[in-house]
Amino acid sequence: QSALTQPASVSGSPGQSITISCTGTSSDVGGYEFVSWYQHHPGKAPKLMIYEVRNRPSGVSNRFSGSKSANTASLTISGLQAEDEADYYCCSYTSTNTQVFGTGTKVTVL
Amino acid sequence: QVQLVESGGGVVQPGRSLRLSCAASGFTFSSYGMHWVRQAPGKGLEWVALIWYDATNKYYSGSVRGRFTISRDNAKNTLYLQMNSLRPEDTAVYYCARGSGWYSSNFDYWGQGTLVTVSS
Repeated sequence: QSALTQPASVSGSPGQSITISCTGTSSDVGGYEFVSWYQHHPGKAPKLMIYEVRNRPSGVSNRFSGSKSANTASLTISGLQAEDEADYYCCSYTSTNTQVFGTGTKVTVL
Repeated sequence: QVQLVESGGGVVQPGRSLRLSCAASGFTFSSYGMHWVRQAPGKGLEWVALIWYDATNKYYSGSVRGRFTISRDNAKNTLYLQMNSLRPEDTAVYYCARGSGWYSSNFDYWGQGTLVTVSS
């Protein structure tokens, strides 16, 4: 199972919106509504930000939103803040009952 | 509150074995699927394995299938990862994570990780 494809880096100024894409295949992203997104600050435990494509866990800011079209899922961060600077990973359930992560995107707040 | 604490990491020679543990608390452990996820130095997250809440099903990534075994003891609220025939490319921080939702596909709580270094 190959890793899902994400851009290596995305940057934006405070207050701006950015979008991170996550491209897979019909055997993972395109085949199921089971895409999740994780925020990872180095040295800390990853944090669930979005589950099942577009749902936010309790306590996650509504500045984070998710969507999906065909084989590509997206995470949008609006009103970018300094604390959003981190690595972000998408993850999808697959047709072989396994999970596959994306390659990861480093978000930089300029 | 939910807590997951990994242990058992360390330095091991190639070809040897190691067993990781993940002690769970703050939730009904026997009701949740559990995962292992790893991150090699300078690399991204990689899913390793999943075990269903009742251990009736186990799934592995292709890179560890046949070498690693995931198991759990619901009486002890503990998850395990038995790693055999270790390779240098298995060097990583290993996280346990609780699975939630359909197919336990959401990792809603994570431990802090334990470092495994495979080197001669």
